[in-house]
Amino acid sequence: AIQMTQSPSSLSASVGDRVTITCRASQGIRIDLGWYQQKPGKAPELLIYAASFLQSGVPSRFSGSGSGTNFTLTISSLQPEDFATYYCLQDFDSPLAFGQGTKVEMK
Amino acid sequence: QVQLVQSGAEVKTPGASVKVSCQASGYTFTDYYIHWVRQAPGQGLEWMGWLSPKNGGTHYTQNFQGRVTLTRDTSSNTAYMELNSLTSDDTAVYFCARWMVRDNYHYGMDVWGQGTTVAVSS
Repeated sequence: AIQMTQSPSSLSASVGDRVTITCRASQGIRIDLGWYQQKPGKAPELLIYAASFLQSGVPSRFSGSGSGTNFTLTISSLQPEDFATYYCLQDFDSPLAFGQGTKVEMK
Repeated sequence: QVQLVQSGAEVKTPGASVKVSCQASGYTFTDYYIHWVRQAPGQGLEWMGWLSPKNGGTHYTQNFQGRVTLTRDTSSNTAYMELNSLTSDDTAVYFCARWMVRDNYHYGMDVWGQGTTVAVSS
């Protein structure tokens, strides 16, 4: 089974900061990776699919990059509504696998 | 609008089974896979399996050792997740989500149900 290693597990940042979260796959997954945002008590929401494609309705300050085994989610200028937990998900092969999550907290 | 609506919260005793429903509306049910994901209290997301509403095909993670069954009823556009032999470790919020693959592109889980809380306690 493919393992996803996400880092960091948490980070503290301020409004306006540039934030970067990474995911590494234990084997190549082409571009079959998505990024999700989850706020407490809510279902996850899709931000990025196929590694770099912005889901409709998601602000352009979110971007994704990578292929193969290394992937990055970048928030170019953190906004108050972006404080949340972020997960990567490989959907290249079953069993699908999430990263452990990154909690973005206010500094 | 496009939505997935899940059934209500459940309280079960150890050893029992639970069946959670996920009703789709606003799109063609058979055009998208349905995935099930769970989240234990304070923990991350755990993928459970997928169902193809078109042909009923399924794939499960081995973590559940045959305890989970995914089914669908195309007449009501509803997917079901049944989990057997419940233990306290199965206490979690269970989500369904739709997912499309087309022309070898994977479009992500773009619509999610609201979640169903399952509590297992004696």
